[in-house]
This record gives sequence, C-alpha cells and structure tokens, in this order.
Amino acid sequence: KAGVTQTPRYLIKTRGQQVTLSCSPISGHRSVSWYQQTPGQGLQFLFEYFSETQRNKGNFPGRFSGRQFSNSRSEMNVSTLELGDSALYLCASGTSGIHEQFFGPGTRLTVL
Amino acid sequence: DAKTTQPNSMESNEEEPVHLPCNHSTISGTDYIHWYRQLPSQGPEYVIHGLTSNVNNRMASLAIAEDRKSSTLILHRATLRDAAVYYCILRDPQGGKLIFGQGTELSVKP
Repeated sequence: KAGVTQTPRYLIKTRGQQVTLSCSPISGHRSVSWYQQTPGQGLQFLFEYFSETQRNKGNFPGRFSGRQFSNSRSEMNVSTLELGDSALYLCASGTSGIHEQFFGPGTRLTVL
Repeated sequence: DAKTTQPNSMESNEEEPVHLPCNHSTISGTDYIHWYRQLPSQGPEYVIHGLTSNVNNRMASLAIAEDRKSSTLILHRATLRDAAVYYCILRDPQGGKLIFGQGTELSVKP
C-alpha cells in the first residue's frame, strides 16, 4: 500500500505570493490533517478534513485554508505569504476505527 | 486541549532499555495517550497508544499510571535508529487532531 504523498517536496516563494500544497492520503483513508512545523513553535495543528468537510481547525489566521476533494486528496493554501510562514508542512491521513495517523514526508516551504 | 510535559532530552546507550516519561495531570477520562516519534528529516511516525492498561507492540511498551496522570514509553533495547524526538500526545477519541508538545529528543550512544 502506498504511503501518504505530498507535493511538491520543496518550494521557494517570495513575500506576498500565495502557495498551494497537495496531499494524497493512503487509499481508503477519509481523514486528512495538516500540520506546520517550525523550529520555534514545533508541530502545530492547522486543520482536519473528513469526507470533504472541515472537522477541526487550529489557531491560524484566515490566510491558511484548505479543502478536500471527493477522492480524499487534500490541498492547503496560504495566501499573502509572510517570512514566518517558512516551515515544514506535514499532512497525515487516517481512517475511522484506527488510532494511528500516517504522516507524509512534508513540503518544505521557504519564503524569501 | 490537555497538555503533556516531557523532558527536553535524554541519552541512552545502545542495546539498553530506555524509559521516556510523560506527565499529563489534566488528562480527561476519555483521552487516549499516544506516542509518536520523528526521525531526522522525516514526518512523525506512530509508536503506540493506550487508554488505561499497559500496552505492548513490536516497537515499544506503554506503561500507564493507575491515576492516568503520567505514562512511560519503554524501548526495550535501544538501537541507533531509535534516535529521534519522541512526542507524548493526548487525543480525544472523537477528534482527529494531534496536539504535539515539545517532545523528548533521544540520543543513542554506541
């Protein structure tokens, strides 16, 4: 079974631009969660989608948004990028009845 | 969200057992205790979880205090590949989100 895939793996943007990151969960998984990891703040929960609906949301500004498609693939978008948005963005997939969350390798975003 | 407290770092010798402690005094009755680890340059990886009873799997054991206010992850024989940041997380059974703390950075010496 293929694992969680994230594209692109690396991304460089400049301040003010917007970016879209993609996550393909493990086949059959309907839950996708997004996390931001920075050296200063550690791993922080962004949001979770389940069957195309946002089920949970972390404490991030409205510039951070996401969506999930009918095939469970998910995208997250960050608009008006700031230097502080430079981070590793991780997604994790899961399924009902299973506690384990499976993480992808992440997308490394650098904002210049 | 209930919080966990872990030591920032620990050291171990290869092939010796490692006990990683976690305090979670504000745990609610329905929170599960989860452990994940993150190896360098990788996403977090599930290790083990439990509710009240001690748990064992191929990777580790989880010992949960009777009052559930603390737990200990036990690696029975540490290897160099176990060097990672270990996170103790409390998770609501209804929600998917994981609230990570700072974790414990485990280093393993040969």
